[in-house]
Amino acid sequence: DAGVTQSPTHLIKTRGQHVTLRCSPISGHKSVSWYQQVLGQGPQFIFQYYEKEERGRGNFPDRFSARQFPNYSSELNVNALLLGDSALYLCASRRPNDEKLFFGSGTQLSVL
Amino acid sequence: RKEVEQDPGPFNVPEGATVAFNCTYSNSASQSFFWYRQDCRKEPKLLMSVYSSGNEDGRFTAQLNRASQYISLLIRDSKLSDSATYLCVVNKDTGFQKLVFGTGTRLLVSP
Repeated sequence: DAGVTQSPTHLIKTRGQHVTLRCSPISGHKSVSWYQQVLGQGPQFIFQYYEKEERGRGNFPDRFSARQFPNYSSELNVNALLLGDSALYLCASRRPNDEKLFFGSGTQLSVL
Repeated sequence: RKEVEQDPGPFNVPEGATVAFNCTYSNSASQSFFWYRQDCRKEPKLLMSVYSSGNEDGRFTAQLNRASQYISLLIRDSKLSDSATYLCVVNKDTGFQKLVFGTGTRLLVSP
């Protein structure tokens, strides 16, 4: 079975642009979470979606938004990019009633 | 104060050594606890869950002290392949999973 897949793997943008990151969870997983990991830090929670509804949001500005589709895939959108948005963006999925999170290999975003 | 605090290291140990990592968390209402492993430029992977009674998985032993809000990971007989960053993780809410990660402790095992 395929693991969590994310696209693209790498992305370079300039300040002020917007970006859309994509995630496909493991088959059968209905919950998707997004995390931001800045170099030298642990991942920080951005959003969780379950059954296409937002179930949790971390301490990120409104420039960050996400959605989940009927097939449980998800998109993370970031508007008006700042230099500080440069990070590894990780998507994770899990089965219902299971605490184990499976992470994708991430999208490395560089904002110049 | 950070919600989850870890010594960033690095811990440099020879093969075969025993090494212990510690972690403290600030929210006494935290519900569940984990150790994740992250290799350089890779995604985090669950190493083990942590229970109050303590749990062991091969060379790895995890302990939780709820009274002190303290979590530990012990690695015995270190292997070169154990070199990685070990992330202490706390889940504050059973309703949904908002995992709070520490900054990680880097381990380097040398021959």
